[in-house]
Amino acid sequence: QLQLQESGPGLVKPSETLSLTCTVSGGSITSSSYYWGWIRQSPGKGLEWIGSMYGSGSYYYNPSLKSRVIISVDTSKNQFSLKLNFVTAADTAVYYCAAGLAFDFWGQGTMVTVSS
Amino acid sequence: QSALTQPASVSGSPGQSITISCTGASSDVDNYNLVSWYQQHPGKAPKLMIYDDYKRPSGVSARFSGSKSGDTASLTISGLQAEDEADYYCCSYAGPFYVFGTGTKVTVL
Repeated sequence: QLQLQESGPGLVKPSETLSLTCTVSGGSITSSSYYWGWIRQSPGKGLEWIGSMYGSGSYYYNPSLKSRVIISVDTSKNQFSLKLNFVTAADTAVYYCAAGLAFDFWGQGTMVTVSS
Repeated sequence: QSALTQPASVSGSPGQSITISCTGASSDVDNYNLVSWYQQHPGKAPKLMIYDDYKRPSGVSARFSGSKSGDTASLTISGLQAEDEADYYCCSYAGPFYVFGTGTKVTVL
């Protein structure tokens, strides 16, 4: 059973870069059995797909965020990461990492506030 | 990529059945058999309830069922229980992207 845990700063200043890491346990980040992704939820709002990484080394991003997002993987640490550049208050949200062929497994989520 | 359209709220009495619709387009719901549904209780992470339009993960109650017709997917909850009160989101693959629904609040009266 996969377990995922997000980590990173809870407060980011406007125009700076949001950086989060998802640590995976109970399975390998290199497994082709799973897709790996990031999803966010602004306060009181719905879910928004940010991007996904596939075992083949392919990365796909939400077109509305594509110019600011990078997802990367660190196989030595069994982690994958999210970087979101030039953040504004609109990027304030709970950020989830998720995995599976559907989004079968989710982290607990981490709240990130963009504020000076 | 526009969000899939769901009703803002659906309610029902204990024991009743309710259905939540999820309307997309030819580029997503109607083009792939890859609609999933998630249940989210307040302050919690979403939980996968249905995948590949109608399949139920191990451990999910058989009271939850999924279906699809054209560009509209549906989630039916039978024998509604108090614990089913939550927000529900659909999600569709829209190659190579994913798009979520607007979300539906289910209230058990």
